[in-house]
Amino acid sequence: LAKTTQPISMDSYEGQEVNITCSHNNIATNDYITWYQQFPSQGPRFIIQGYKTKVTNEVASLFIPADRKSSTLSLPRVSLSDTAVYYCLLTDSGAGSYQLTFGKGTKLSVIP
Amino acid sequence: EAGVVQSPRYKIIEKKQPVAFWCNPISGHNTLYWYRQNLGQGPELLIRYENEEAVDDSQLPKDRFSAERLKGVDSTLKIQPAELGDSAVYLCASSYTRGAEQYFGPGTRLTVT
Repeated sequence: LAKTTQPISMDSYEGQEVNITCSHNNIATNDYITWYQQFPSQGPRFIIQGYKTKVTNEVASLFIPADRKSSTLSLPRVSLSDTAVYYCLLTDSGAGSYQLTFGKGTKLSVIP
Repeated sequence: EAGVVQSPRYKIIEKKQPVAFWCNPISGHNTLYWYRQNLGQGPELLIRYENEEAVDDSQLPKDRFSAERLKGVDSTLKIQPAELGDSAVYLCASSYTRGAEQYFGPGTRLTVT
């Protein structure tokens, strides 16, 4: 079972770029790297997904090195509304069964 | 388009009582997930459905938990009898296919007294 490791918490000031790194040393060939955001009393919400190199969408960027043993979620110019828990998740889109493990996530606190 | 719908949003029961949660996934989503989330923890997958077939149910406590997804659309998760340790938020999610982006419902907060 491939597991992920993230920092428990991070603090950042408004307007700064935040980078959250996730380690996944045992990532499998079929695994994609997916990040979710969760606010209190809500279900997680998809942010971004990638397999290798760099992926960018309207809210974040995902950097994945060639060995794929880690990944970094980058949030540009965070605001107070970005205060949430961020989860790194490995998802297997291949055949057969697989296990989804969210881990404890990284609690990001944005300070005014 | 409506998102994932769950009911009830909150439930308080006494231990040893039964409880059921209902989930209506996004239309066209073949994969449905039930998660349990304890306070301060990430979601823990209980069971995953591909259409009406249950797969990946290794984390489902089968002595007291059961689930069904009749006709491959709505799903129900049941606990009987409930224990104090079952107090948690139960989340339902759906995706178009396995590995694709998951859409989560708001969850059902269960309190067992």
